[in-house]
Amino acid sequence: GQQVMQIPQYQHVQEGEDFTTYCNSSTTLSNIQWYKQRPGGHPVFLIQLVKSGEVKKQKRLTFQFGEAKKNSSLHITATQTTDVGTYFCAGGVGATNKLIFGTGTLLAVQP
Amino acid sequence: DAGVIQSPRHEVTEMGQEVTLRCKPISGHDYLFWYRQTMMRGLELLIYFNNNVPIDDSGMPEDRFSAKMPNASFSTLKIQPSEPRDSAVYFCASSFGVKVYEQYFGPGTRLTVT
Repeated sequence: GQQVMQIPQYQHVQEGEDFTTYCNSSTTLSNIQWYKQRPGGHPVFLIQLVKSGEVKKQKRLTFQFGEAKKNSSLHITATQTTDVGTYFCAGGVGATNKLIFGTGTLLAVQP
Repeated sequence: DAGVIQSPRHEVTEMGQEVTLRCKPISGHDYLFWYRQTMMRGLELLIYFNNNVPIDDSGMPEDRFSAKMPNASFSTLKIQPSEPRDSAVYFCASSFGVKVYEQYFGPGTRLTVT
């Protein structure tokens, strides 16, 4: 079946360092969404990318969607303790509203 | 808006008992999703509805699981009989529109089956 893998599974950084998580799908995606889940919380939508090669920025966060629409990345510049949590990518399947969630990357930020 | 509402927030039950999880989506949303989250398997889509009609239930683990959406403001996920391996956090999410729009997740129900 369709799979969406993320690397790394876990990343520990010092506050102020940069962080990147990568998302790879076994099949072409119609779109990619990114969610953040704080410890003990629920996933919260961050952004959606639809076009091949698309790049979007939200303050210190930069999101990219690959040219082949099979991979994506999230880069955080100068991490802060508030960035702690698990970041999930979620790939859209065809013309449906179904999302396949990635395995997630847990980010720990040491002050 | 109150967001997606789930109840109960925590459920502890013994193996073999019936468990019913409840969800109220955001008013006006026409898609409702049920997910299960575990350390081993991550976040899995179990089933989703569009306008109260089940569209894809391929993620439902087995016949012990069933889901209903009798109206636009209420859905249930039932497990009968429950087993220890069903222990997980179950999330309900809703979204709006024919395109793939952001999903709004509820706070989740943490289920423990002993």
